[in-house]
Amino acid sequence: DIQMTQSPSSLSASVGDRVTITCRASQSIISLLNWYLQKPGKAPKLLVYSASRLQSGVPSRFSGSGSGTDFTLTISSLQPEDFATYYCQQSYSTPYTFGPGTKLDIK
Amino acid sequence: QITVKESGPTLVKPTQTLTLTCAFSGFSLNTHGVGVGWIRQPPGKALQWLALIFWDDDKRYSPSLKSRLNITKDTSKNHVVLTMTNMDPVDTGTYYCAHRPGYSSGWAFDFWGQGALVTVSS
Repeated sequence: DIQMTQSPSSLSASVGDRVTITCRASQSIISLLNWYLQKPGKAPKLLVYSASRLQSGVPSRFSGSGSGTDFTLTISSLQPEDFATYYCQQSYSTPYTFGPGTKLDIK
Repeated sequence: QITVKESGPTLVKPTQTLTLTCAFSGFSLNTHGVGVGWIRQPPGKALQWLALIFWDDDKRYSPSLKSRLNITKDTSKNHVVLTMTNMDPVDTGTYYCAHRPGYSSGWAFDFWGQGALVTVSS
């Protein structure tokens, strides 16, 4: 299995801050890396696929980058609705493993 | 518009078999590249990928759970069924099904159901 790690595991920030979350794969997954946002009690929502492609309807303050084994998700200016848990997931080979998550809360 | 929705028991006893159904609309599981997957989430924990079935009936499973899982599809009813045998309290959690489009969306899960909470307890 491809192992996914994320850092940090938790993060406190303020509205308007720029935030970056990192995801690392245990082997190259080229650009087949996806980012999801999950709020408590809700299903995950796809934000970014193929490392850098914004899912339809996702605000442009979200952006993704990276290839190979190292990836980042950046939120340029945090909004109140962005406080949630973020997961990365590789879709290079099954099992399509998820990272452990990064919880973003209000400072 | 794509929708997926999970259904099944909310409570199962240890050693029993769990059967979950994913009813979907807005796409065909006969379309090249399309798949439906199952993902679960224990309370307060991370997402765990369980299984995926493809348009061509190819099936993939989490290696750690492969011996207990079976995924099938009924394209005439637009259903995907996941069974998990020998349930244990550690299997308690929310079970999601999700649509996986073709390569154009990087094989990500773009539409998710609301989730089905399953508790394993005697």
